[in-house]
Amino acid sequence: ILNVEQSPQSLHVQEGDSTNFTCSFPSSNFYALHWYRWETAKSPEALFVMTLNGDEKKKGRISATLNTKEGYSYLYIKGSQPEDSATYLCALNSGYSTLTFGKGTMLLVSP
Amino acid sequence: NAGVTQTPKFRVLKTGQSMTLLCAQDMNHEYMYWYRQDPGMGLRLIHYSVGEGTTAKGEVPDGYNVSRLKKQNFLLGLESAAPSQTSVYFCASNPSGNLYEQYFGPGTRLTVT
Repeated sequence: ILNVEQSPQSLHVQEGDSTNFTCSFPSSNFYALHWYRWETAKSPEALFVMTLNGDEKKKGRISATLNTKEGYSYLYIKGSQPEDSATYLCALNSGYSTLTFGKGTMLLVSP
Repeated sequence: NAGVTQTPKFRVLKTGQSMTLLCAQDMNHEYMYWYRQDPGMGLRLIHYSVGEGTTAKGEVPDGYNVSRLKKQNFLLGLESAAPSQTSVYFCASNPSGNLYEQYFGPGTRLTVT
């Protein structure tokens, strides 16, 4: 079983703050890294799929970077809004057909 | 396009009863997955399928069986439900694994008393 760690477990910020979370994974097992956004009472939705070391992806105010050599990825949210409140999941693909998910970072953005 | 749908949305079972959860997707995806989500545990893979007629075990397969007789449907069965199987179950699909995002269904909340 692969160990995918996310930190922090939860985060509470004010509207307008920028924030970031970390996803750590065993670099020797890397094939692809996924980020998902999971709002309460909904189902997870994909944000990014990343495969290349040094890759940076962006969607609106959300961006992610990837370091496959040291085994981590950062997710950044610029100018957080209350609608960004959700759990953010990362998941590692190690070359097989499945993903191993981290436990997520729960973000709460207060107005 | 309905995407990924799950039936039922909620269910309460008594210990020892059996039931089948249905997942259906209309995107012609090859790969389908069943996960369970428990507080503090994240999403854990139960079983998955890489194509019609194939199934494989995930991280937590005990107590569950699956079938993929048609490409668009993936069934998860509980033969004899136990309280430890109280959970929220999510189905997901993607075109063909690794580099494609997974599309999730809305979830089924199952309580076993």
